Amino acid sequence: IEMTQSPSSLSASVGDRVTFTCRANQGIRDYLAWYQQKPGKVPKLLISGASTLQAGVPSRFSGRRSGTDFTLTISSLQPEDVGTYYCQRYDNAPFTFGPGTKVHI
Amino acid sequence: QLHLQESGPGLVKPSETLSLTCTVTDDSILSRDYFWGWIRQPPGKGLEWIGTISSSGTTYYNPSLDGRVTMAVDTSQNQFSLHLKSVTATDTSFYYCARHGRSLGVIAPLDSWGQGILVNVSS
Repeated sequence: IEMTQSPSSLSASVGDRVTFTCRANQGIRDYLAWYQQKPGKVPKLLISGASTLQAGVPSRFSGRRSGTDFTLTISSLQPEDVGTYYCQRYDNAPFTFGPGTKVHI
Repeated sequence: QLHLQESGPGLVKPSETLSLTCTVTDDSILSRDYFWGWIRQPPGKGLEWIGTISSSGTTYYNPSLDGRVTMAVDTSQNQFSLHLKSVTATDTSFYYCARHGRSLGVIAPLDSWGQGILVNVSS
């Protein structure tokens, strides 16, 4: 199973609503996670089960699934949201990551 | 609070074996509910899942690594390890160890990560 992400990068303003997409080329049900990696930092799990926010993750983040397409939305982009966002399938090994979407302000 | 720490050489020669250890600070490594993973990231590039191991030693490896990967777990030392043989310059990466979350049915995503260790493959 391959994971693709689009766009590869995006630039937006503080307060903007931003959405980016992850697509699996086969069905993975809801077994999709999103990670945030800020510059120079370790990846952090944001969302599991396609839409379940991890404890402590701001409510401006949300995830959604439509078939094999998954979206991560930041409802009001903040300066601290700069970084790269990766999706990962975990229905079965190999637990493939997508190539990432880099978010700039 | 769980803490994971990678250790090992920062420089490995081509064709040799890269060996890293991850030390886990709590006893979750003893639980069958948790799995343990290695992930790598070439500088400036994306994440690549390398493999995952259970506390009982069941392993799952990335087939793209062509059988070069071996993982082991030592619950008595609260450690698990990665061995990647026949390395080349393309194996130069940050290597992270991580814990998969409490896994009921499927192996959960990676909810706790080490700080990572940079391993250069060079003669």
